[in-house]
Amino acid sequence: NAGVTQTPKFRILKIGQSMTLQCTQDMNHNYMYWYRQDPGMGLKLIYYSVGAGITDKGEVPNGYNVSRSTTEDFPLRLELAAPSQTSVYFCASDGDTQYFGPGTRLTVL
Amino acid sequence: EDQVTQSPEALRLQEGESSSLNCSYTVSGLRGLFWYRQDPGKGPEFLFTLYSAGEEKEKERLKATLTKKESFLHITAPKPEDSATYLCAVKRANSKLTFGKGITLSVRP
Repeated sequence: NAGVTQTPKFRILKIGQSMTLQCTQDMNHNYMYWYRQDPGMGLKLIYYSVGAGITDKGEVPNGYNVSRSTTEDFPLRLELAAPSQTSVYFCASDGDTQYFGPGTRLTVL
Repeated sequence: EDQVTQSPEALRLQEGESSSLNCSYTVSGLRGLFWYRQDPGKGPEFLFTLYSAGEEKEKERLKATLTKKESFLHITAPKPEDSATYLCAVKRANSKLTFGKGITLSVRP
């Protein structure tokens, strides 16, 4: 039982490049979330999903997209990377308690 | 709008010096108050959930309590390995969490 896994752990992007952050959970949770964490700012919700095929915006969705084709996977897509998207990204799944993945540290230069 | 305020922002303790971390919250229809521990470079790790005023939960040197307006995380005789950032979050019926900015605890040997 791996819980929530995220790949990659680290990534450096150039401005304007695109990438997908991967998130997988093996707890059969319907609810999944993407957060970003910036120093001194706490965790901010980007997008969330209440089940396969259903997604909705969180507090800071601009510049990101998500999809949820299976219960296990919830990828986060950055289409045109900007320096403001430099952050640490966490995925979480929730069956009553939210459990977090180890995070992806993204730098946009 | 849900609000979570944690204080102090940072706390330095000597090993064995007990103290408390505060989490004040404003939320409509609380479905749970959560405490997480976060080590540098890692994802938040679940500690406790409290559901109603008067509830208390303990784990090793940590004890979490809840009133209608705030929660305390009491640390008894802390050790250097308790050094981490402690996050507080509230959940409403929509299952989304609102996080505070965290309290960075340093315990000196």
